[in-house]
Amino acid sequence: QVQLQESGPGLVRPSGTLSLTCAVSGGSISGTNWWSWVRQAPGKGLEWIGEFHHSGGRNYNPSLKSRVSISVDKSKNQFSLNLSSVTVADAAVYFCVRNGGHYGRNFDYWGQGTLVTVSP
Amino acid sequence: EIVMTQSPATLSVSPGERATLSCRASQSVNSDLAWYQQKPGQAPRLLIYGASTRDTGIPARFSGSGSGTEFTLTISSLQSEDFAVYFCQQYKNWPPYTFGQGTKLEIK
Repeated sequence: QVQLQESGPGLVRPSGTLSLTCAVSGGSISGTNWWSWVRQAPGKGLEWIGEFHHSGGRNYNPSLKSRVSISVDKSKNQFSLNLSSVTVADAAVYFCVRNGGHYGRNFDYWGQGTLVTVSP
Repeated sequence: EIVMTQSPATLSVSPGERATLSCRASQSVNSDLAWYQQKPGQAPRLLIYGASTRDTGIPARFSGSGSGTEFTLTISSLQSEDFAVYFCQQYKNWPPYTFGQGTKLEIK
């Protein structure tokens, strides 16, 4: 059973950089799947942030592309999200997820999510 | 970007009754449409992909239909554990993958 666990600061200052890490167990990030970050502002819907493949592939949401990067640590079987120049609009629960399902374009395993607040 | 619109925003149904949730895409996504269920304080769970294929372990009372721009999620006989928020997701054109804003299914 694949398990994902997010970690990182729960509070980020405006104009700062949000940095989160996702530790994966029960599966390898070096396998065939892509892996993503998805966020959910309080009481709102879901927004896909970006995805990566261990071979080097990256895709980002165009609305965030200039501020986001995803990196990978294969030795630790974990991946990270960096989002720069944050504003209050970036406050959300951030989920790391595995791309699976149909053509690997659905999200079949999710972390529990971590709440990030943006405040001075 | 493909915009997904769900209706209604809130649906009130009694246990044991049928619930019908709708999702519309701003352009055709063929059958590249998934549904997720999210309960308070939890991560979403994949229910259906390919518009009509249930994911592993999903009860048969959940069914999906539609293609192109119009999709429906039907829950045939509502159980107490089915009251939640439901999201649709298109994966025909990405990036980005896009989700609907959600339908909250509440007890009548």
